[in-house]
Amino acid sequence: DTGVSQDPRHKITKRGQNVTFRCDPISEHNRLYWYRQTLGQGPEFLTYFQNEAQLEKSRLLSDRFSAERPKGSFSTLEIQRTEQGDSAMYLCASRGQGYGYTFGSGTRLTVV
Amino acid sequence: AQTVTQSQPEMSVQEAETVTLSCTYDTSESDYYLFWYKQPPSRQMILVIRQEAYKQQNATENRFSVNFQKAAKSFSLKISDSQLGDAAMYFCAYRSGSGGSNYKLTFGKGTLLTVNP
Repeated sequence: DTGVSQDPRHKITKRGQNVTFRCDPISEHNRLYWYRQTLGQGPEFLTYFQNEAQLEKSRLLSDRFSAERPKGSFSTLEIQRTEQGDSAMYLCASRGQGYGYTFGSGTRLTVV
Repeated sequence: AQTVTQSQPEMSVQEAETVTLSCTYDTSESDYYLFWYKQPPSRQMILVIRQEAYKQQNATENRFSVNFQKAAKSFSLKISDSQLGDAAMYFCAYRSGSGGSNYKLTFGKGTLLTVNP
């Protein structure tokens, strides 16, 4: 297993467009987290999945954001009607039964 | 809600010297975990060291060690014999021991460490 994969690595989009990011966690990890990291800040929690169930959503996750994890494998994060304030790096992390988290390299979104 | 504060936006150290990065946190919980993560330009967060709050002994991983002061809610990272490859952004993170938190991490703003040759 090569770790957590995120695709795309970079995304530039025009304001108002929809974008979708994908995260492929470590296959045996049933827990998956999405974080958002803006310039000069630490990652902030967005949402959490255990298997296919979305168990927690941060208030940062406005109604323009939706996340899914069908069949408890990969996850997608969609942002509708993007705004310049959505520009950030979106990080995915997965965790198995232990305490360890494995992070992906993130998707950097730029909204122009 | 828990908060994590890193008061040093940037730090620099000479190669082979020792540097200490500071972190304080605020919580009302007694069961929690603290972490230091390294984020190099490749962007992937890499775990440096972890400390369980119930353990009095400070964690050590090779050249990395922590000074965990539970009463003061302080968790500093010491890097000994600094190497050029240590240059990165370092984040302090908190995780509740309660399953109700879904074990999500709360991060500080980070400290950018520069290592000078």
